Amino acid sequence: QQQVKQSPQSLIVQKGGISIINCAYENTAFDYFPWYQQFPGKGPALLIAIRPDVSEKKEGRFTISFNKSAKQFSLHIMDSQPGDSATYFCAAGNDMRFGAGTRLTVKP
Amino acid sequence: DGGITQSPKYLFRKEGQNVTLSCEQNLNHDAMYWYRQDPGQGLRLIYYSQIVNDFQKGDIAEGYSVSREKKESFPLTVTSAQKNPTAFYLCASSIAGGSNQPQHFGDGTRLSIL
Repeated sequence: QQQVKQSPQSLIVQKGGISIINCAYENTAFDYFPWYQQFPGKGPALLIAIRPDVSEKKEGRFTISFNKSAKQFSLHIMDSQPGDSATYFCAAGNDMRFGAGTRLTVKP
Repeated sequence: DGGITQSPKYLFRKEGQNVTLSCEQNLNHDAMYWYRQDPGQGLRLIYYSQIVNDFQKGDIAEGYSVSREKKESFPLTVTSAQKNPTAFYLCASSIAGGSNQPQHFGDGTRLSIL
């Protein structure tokens, strides 16, 4: 029962580059789309979230782009830093189904 | 500071043994969740509770049980019926169940089989 599909599974980016992670969902009733960041040995923490009434939300270096017709949303990390190296999860749904996660490595 | 406390951080289970993972929150949140995390599989929902004395099965509830007798507590029991219990278990809470609510996570319990 995979309601949220996330890609890529892993991503390596040079410092200063742009990291892009994508998610696709199935249920058009979903109305809240958060991204979580998880460091090893820790629980995920909310990074940024969007509702379907807007197509883009930006917080600092992090931007969510939302395409309602395509049922897709993506996370863009501008000027990626080594400290951004973590696993990122998208989520959706009333009881929060999560994507499989993307392990991001930012090389110095 | 408000937050979610999971204990213990590491837990070892013998074959045929039930073990209970603790999750306590002081955020005054109504909804609480349990997830299992395996490498490469993300977070899978085990059980969730939107209100005291009520809970629902998630996608992988077999071999697990929960209780919600108090608002701040949502313990998870991994029973001997769970044949592959080795995983990282995460507890979360949100202000209310349903969508539009961010989840707050604890720092997890890592369960291993002896």
